[in-house]
Amino acid sequence: LAKTTQPISMDSYEGQEVNITCSHNNIATNDYITWYQQFPSQGPRFIIQGYKTKVKNEVASLFIPADRKSSTLSLPRVSLSDTAVYYCLVGDRGDMRFGAGTRLTVKP
Amino acid sequence: DGGITQSPKYLFRKEGQNVTLSCEQNLNHDAMYWYRQDPGQGLRLIYYSQIVNDFQKGDIAEGYSVSREKKESFPLTVTSAQKNPTAFYLCASSLETGGKKIAKNIQYFGAGTRLSVL
Repeated sequence: LAKTTQPISMDSYEGQEVNITCSHNNIATNDYITWYQQFPSQGPRFIIQGYKTKVKNEVASLFIPADRKSSTLSLPRVSLSDTAVYYCLVGDRGDMRFGAGTRLTVKP
Repeated sequence: DGGITQSPKYLFRKEGQNVTLSCEQNLNHDAMYWYRQDPGQGLRLIYYSQIVNDFQKGDIAEGYSVSREKKESFPLTVTSAQKNPTAFYLCASSLETGGKKIAKNIQYFGAGTRLSVL
């Protein structure tokens, strides 16, 4: 199983850009990197997925270096409503595991 | 609306009792998953199923059982053998790519069932 390592928590202020890095040293050739967001008492919600280089959508960007051993989720101009737990997953189907995630707290 | 429905939202279990949590999806997804989440913790995989009539144990399957008789349904039974069942249970589904090596496997989650012991 591809294991991921993320910071346990991060603090930020409204309007700032937040970058959360995930380490996945044993990522397999066929593995994608997927990020989810979870609010309290809700199921995780898909944010973004990538395989290599950079991916961008309306809410986030994902940067993946050439060796794919890490990835960085970038949230532009965060607001209070971005306070949540963010999970990085790598793998395929039943091989994917949610770790403890990164608890992001956005302050006014 | 398409989505995943978990019921009930809250469930209470008596000592020695088996309880079943329902999970239904109308997304036509092949794969379904059950996770357990304890307070302040991440999600832990209990069971997953890639196709009908087939399922595999996850990391914490002991004390739980599942069935996958229909594509839309993946019920989870918490048996009396599970001594510490109090947790938030989440069901998810994803679309398989059928035979391809690279599967994006984006999981869509239900609203969860919170199980407590009386």
